[in-house]
Amino acid sequence: NAGVTQTPKFQVLKTGQSMTLQCAQDMNHNSMYWYRQDPGMGLRLIYYSASEGTTDKGEVPNGYNVSRLNKREFSLRLESAAPSQTSVYFCASSEQGGDTQYFGPGTRLTVL
Amino acid sequence: SQKIEQNSEALNIQEGKTATLTCNYTNYSPAYLQWYRQDPGRGPVFLLLIRENEKEKRKERLKVTFDTTLKQSLFHITASQPADSATYLCAPYNAGNNRKLIWGLGTSLAVNP
Repeated sequence: NAGVTQTPKFQVLKTGQSMTLQCAQDMNHNSMYWYRQDPGMGLRLIYYSASEGTTDKGEVPNGYNVSRLNKREFSLRLESAAPSQTSVYFCASSEQGGDTQYFGPGTRLTVL
Repeated sequence: SQKIEQNSEALNIQEGKTATLTCNYTNYSPAYLQWYRQDPGRGPVFLLLIRENEKEKRKERLKVTFDTTLKQSLFHITASQPADSATYLCAPYNAGNNRKLIWGLGTSLAVNP
């Protein structure tokens, strides 16, 4: 089992560019999450999907959109990147909401 | 509002000693609480879960306590090793928060040889 995979691992964007971060899990989990982690801020939830077909906003959703493509895949889109979105992005999954979460390796995004 | 507090300053201890990390929460009563380890450049990894009706949970050199009266969980690593150096995150579960975990900022632990 690969667990939770994320692509890409690193990305540099210019302000205004768009991109999609991909996440997939092979544990048949119902719930999936997107977090960003910044120094001194901890893990902040951007969006989550409690089950296939549903998505909800977390603490910091502005500037992002998500798609739960199927049970395995949950993508995060930045439509018009801003320097404030420079961060490390983690995808996670759990069997149900509130259960143990399994994290991917992260995507390090820099917006110039 | 719900708040999680972990030791904000890094903890430095000598190899072989016991490390104790604190997680305090306010304004809610979690049904259970999880502890995770995060190494630099990597995602958090689950370590232990303790429920509100459990006073203590152990796994190898790790021990977690949960005091619902004090609204506090303590995380202990006995016979610490340099390989235990990492950031440790606590995440209490709040059923009222749309069944999501709430994350502390983490405490950085350095075990010196």
